[in-house]
Amino acid sequence: DTAVSQTPKYLVTQMGNDKSIKCEQNLGHDTMYWYKQDSKKFLKIMFSYNNKELIINETVPNRFSPKSPDKAHLNLHINSLELGDSAVYFCASSRRQGWNGYTFGSGTRITVV
Amino acid sequence: GNSVTQMEGPVTLSEEAFLTINCTYTATGYPSLFWYVQYPGEGLQLLLKATKADDKGSNKGFEATYRKETTSFHLEKGSVQVSDSAVYFCALSVPYGNNRLAFGKGNQVVVIP
Repeated sequence: DTAVSQTPKYLVTQMGNDKSIKCEQNLGHDTMYWYKQDSKKFLKIMFSYNNKELIINETVPNRFSPKSPDKAHLNLHINSLELGDSAVYFCASSRRQGWNGYTFGSGTRITVV
Repeated sequence: GNSVTQMEGPVTLSEEAFLTINCTYTATGYPSLFWYVQYPGEGLQLLLKATKADDKGSNKGFEATYRKETTSFHLEKGSVQVSDSAVYFCALSVPYGNNRLAFGKGNQVVVIP
């Protein structure tokens, strides 16, 4: 069983569209995250939820809205997609105190055309 | 704040060569330290970790020692293989913080046969 699964794996969409990507973890972790990886492989945290409560909200455009219906799921909705949103988005999860590290999903590559 | 610095630029080396990737950190508190590896087209995988000073993390022939006196966690492997070609990220997490995992910029490692 995949520990952290993301869907879809690839998403190609036109500018201005609204899209959602989903993440699910079956590890029993309390905390989930969204990271954005740019073309230079730089990883930037976007959001973090602990047991459905938002605990990290970095400087991300309001067009990005995370939702956590339960502690095993964290979705990301993006309104009015822009060219600069093209990137790979990684979901991750960890125990409440993350010093054992995170478990990452395999990523969703979004290409905005 | 908490941050990780990795040496600049990609690393290209021949098979069976010795690999070192430098990582230094700045942290408030007593961080846990990690190396993650990202193979082409995949998500990040935890390679090894260390949670206290002088701990040595090891996995798949890679090693890193938590050096508090030099605030470093350099990654080493004695004899690399072509299959080690990947991007390597150093990261830290501070216990009792907000679980944020701070990543370095990553180093692309290319091993030539």
